[in-house]
Amino acid sequence: DIVMTQSPDSLAVSLGERATINCKSSQSVLYSSNNKKYLAWYQQKAGQPPKLLIYWASIRESGVPDRFNGSGSGTDFTLTISSLQAEDVAVYSCQQYYSLPLTFGGGTKVEIK
Amino acid sequence: EVQLLESGGGLVQPGGSLRLSCATSGFTFSSYAMSWVRQAPGKGLEWVSSISGGSGNTYYTDSVKGRFTISRDNPKNTLYLQMNSLRAEDTAIYYCAKQGRNDAFDFWGQGTMVSVSS
Repeated sequence: DIVMTQSPDSLAVSLGERATINCKSSQSVLYSSNNKKYLAWYQQKAGQPPKLLIYWASIRESGVPDRFNGSGSGTDFTLTISSLQAEDVAVYSCQQYYSLPLTFGGGTKVEIK
Repeated sequence: EVQLLESGGGLVQPGGSLRLSCATSGFTFSSYAMSWVRQAPGKGLEWVSSISGGSGNTYYTDSVKGRFTISRDNPKNTLYLQMNSLRAEDTAIYYCAKQGRNDAFDFWGQGTMVSVSS
């Protein structure tokens, strides 16, 4: 199984400042035949289901604000919120869909400082 | 507009059974793989099971193999999860999720709570 490890568990950022969340996979999720990284990021606000933000590690889902950016290599990935807004308070989780079982990171809680 | 609506959750004793349903609309249901993902209280997300769109191939996480069965009724646009021999550790919110062409979970239902307790 591919283990997804997120850091930090939580972070508090001032409004307008940058938030950076890390996700590390225990093995590469880069599929060499198509050069795609099978990594997604989700946002989950309190009492709501998850919402897809980023897929293929760096492609923003339709309607997602451009302050959300994903990047990374085959095993190390980052979600950056360039200018934190109040509505971004949530838990953010990464997920690999390279192989079964599909696995998620433990989540990072983002709060306002 | 894509909509996913789960039902069938509730309180059940250990060893009991439940059948979850996920009624869908707003997309060509038979063309997409569908999944169940659960979230125990205060915990992270855990993939449970998936089913392909056309052939209906099924996949399960190890902890539910032999106890849970995923199925779909394409004419009714509905996804199911039959859960047998339920254990306390199966207690969670169960989400129905659609997999997009990019294989990520692009739409999620609101979830249905399953509590296993005596």
